[in-house]
Amino acid sequence: KAGVTQTPRYLIKTRGQQVTLSCSPISGHRSVSWYQQTPGQGLQFLFEYFSETQRNKGNFPGRFSGRQFSNSRSEMNVSTLELGDSALYLCASSSRLASTGELFFGEGSRLTVL
Amino acid sequence: ELKVEQNPLFLSMQEGKNYTIYCNYSTTSDRLYWYRQDPGKSLESLFVLLSNGAVKQEGRLMASLDTKARLSTLHITAAVHDLSATYFCAVDVPPGGANSKLTFGKGITLSVRP
Repeated sequence: KAGVTQTPRYLIKTRGQQVTLSCSPISGHRSVSWYQQTPGQGLQFLFEYFSETQRNKGNFPGRFSGRQFSNSRSEMNVSTLELGDSALYLCASSSRLASTGELFFGEGSRLTVL
Repeated sequence: ELKVEQNPLFLSMQEGKNYTIYCNYSTTSDRLYWYRQDPGKSLESLFVLLSNGAVKQEGRLMASLDTKARLSTLHITAAVHDLSATYFCAVDVPPGGANSKLTFGKGITLSVRP
């Protein structure tokens, strides 16, 4: 069974640009969550999507947005990039049908903002 | 606001010895997860603890959950170099709810020396 796939794995942008990251969940998983990981703040929840609906949102500015498609694939977008947006962005999928709530993480997209 | 605290943040372990690391959280939950992260890699699920008194073991690692004390422990038996990594605990609040999200601790970096 294929795991969670994130693309691109690495990218470099400059301040003011925007970026779109993609996540394909494990087959059959309909819930996709996004986390930002930085050395200073650790792992912080961005948002969760289930059945194309945003179910939960973390404490991030409106520059951070996301969406989910009918095939459960998800994208997140960051507009007007700032230096502080440099981070590892992790996508996780889960099956809401399972009782454990366990998240399965992708390899991440490492964003560097110059 | 939920706080998840892990201590110590860094632990240098001697090969062959036993150690315990801790995860405290500030609000009621009976769902706690342990993840492992190797440098530059994603998060690997280690344990899912879903009730008070839950105990899970895998190899040299054993995790337990005390929901009354809001405490989880990860016990390491006879440390080996392969266990060197950063270990995160995460709490699901509200537990199993439709809008639940994982809140992570800062992580504990374990380094095993000969």
